[in-house]
Parts: sequence; structure tokens; C-alpha cells
Amino acid sequence: SQQGEEDPQALSIQEGENATMNCSYKTSINNLQWYRQNSGRGLVHLILIRSNEREKHSGRLRVTLDTSKKSSSLLITASRAADTASYFCATDTGNQFYFGTGTSLTVIP
Amino acid sequence: NAGVMQNPRHLVRRRGQEARLRCSPMKGHSHVYWYRQLPEEGLKFMVYLQKENIIDESGMPKERFSAEFPKEGPSILRIQQVVRGDSAAYFCASSKGAQGEQFFGPGTRLTVL
Repeated sequence: SQQGEEDPQALSIQEGENATMNCSYKTSINNLQWYRQNSGRGLVHLILIRSNEREKHSGRLRVTLDTSKKSSSLLITASRAADTASYFCATDTGNQFYFGTGTSLTVIP
Repeated sequence: NAGVMQNPRHLVRRRGQEARLRCSPMKGHSHVYWYRQLPEEGLKFMVYLQKENIIDESGMPKERFSAEFPKEGPSILRIQQVVRGDSAAYFCASSKGAQGEQFFGPGTRLTVL
């Protein structure tokens, strides 16, 4: 079965609010990555966090990783309408690469 | 239900040779995406194809790389005159439609000696 599962499946917020998405996985990983997909386009890599890291920032993105709970969260601060997309986490075990089911984010202007 | 299939799983080439990577999408899927992953990095989008059409090749290097998805048969990612920097894992994904969920294959790990 797929390694990563995200929740919520869908999220709708007002522009300017923060959006938080969570990802859980099952086995040990080398790193965890978050991707964005706009409708009909390829995946865009957002951020990679290694298994020995706990938190990472990139612009308005903040990712946390808790290996004891096998979970990660992606926080998008001060959301914009352009952030509307699907967000996926992916886990790299070194041998395999797994994608989660995704969170569909809608930011209402 | 067979998932996305890629072959070969591992490919070793010497500098200057050609590499051909194949991707068979899931049954009923007519959209294929190719990604490259360097060690310890995320996937980088390369190209998006529909049957017989290249929709978006904005992530594809301008030289030596080409992709096709013929009416019949798998999608092919072709790298001519490979260099050491081409060593990476190449993943393909397929979807039913332009807005459909992408399902990933197991990847082809290319090593250039």
C-alpha cells in the first residue's frame, strides 16, 4: 500500500489565512518531500526535509518532521489565491519512493 | 491491475552512449509525465505528454534529451551522448486525464560510467 497519507483530503481557506496539511507514513525514511500540483501540470518540488532534521523553512512554507510519530506537516502562511493546488508528500526510503494521496487546497480571494 | 511500469529498472551506460528509458502507463491512462531525481534531491519535472503530443517540455534540457509517447507502445525518454551528470533516477507517472491523479512507476536508475 502507499506509504504516505495526507489529511485533510480537502481544505478551503480565505486569502491571508494559514493552511496546514499533515502527512503520515509507515516505514523508516531517508527524507520526506512536499510537492504542489496545479491542475493539469506536472508536480513541482517545494521542499525536502531529511530524517535527521526537525523543521525547515522556505519562504512562506514551513515543514516539520517527527520521525517518532512518522508524520510531517506543511504550513503555508499568509495564503494567496495562487496557492490553490493539490499538495502531496512523498517519502524516500532509499529503495522506494512513495507519494501520498494529496490535499486539495482552495484559497478563496 | 498493473501499475505504471518502467524498464529497465537499472541501466548502466558509458559516457557518449545513448540511454532509452521506457514507461508503460496504467491501463486507460493517456497522459504521461517524466521526472528526474538526483541523489538526495526532490523530483524535477521534465516533460508532460499525451498520446503523440508533447504538452509541456519546459523541464527538459534543450540538448540531448527527447521524449515521445506514440499512439501504440510505451513512452520513451531518450538521452543521447550521456554524461556523468545524467546519472539519476528517472520516474514516470501516468494519469487518466489532464487533471487526474498521477500514479508513479518504480523508476529507472541510470548510472553513467
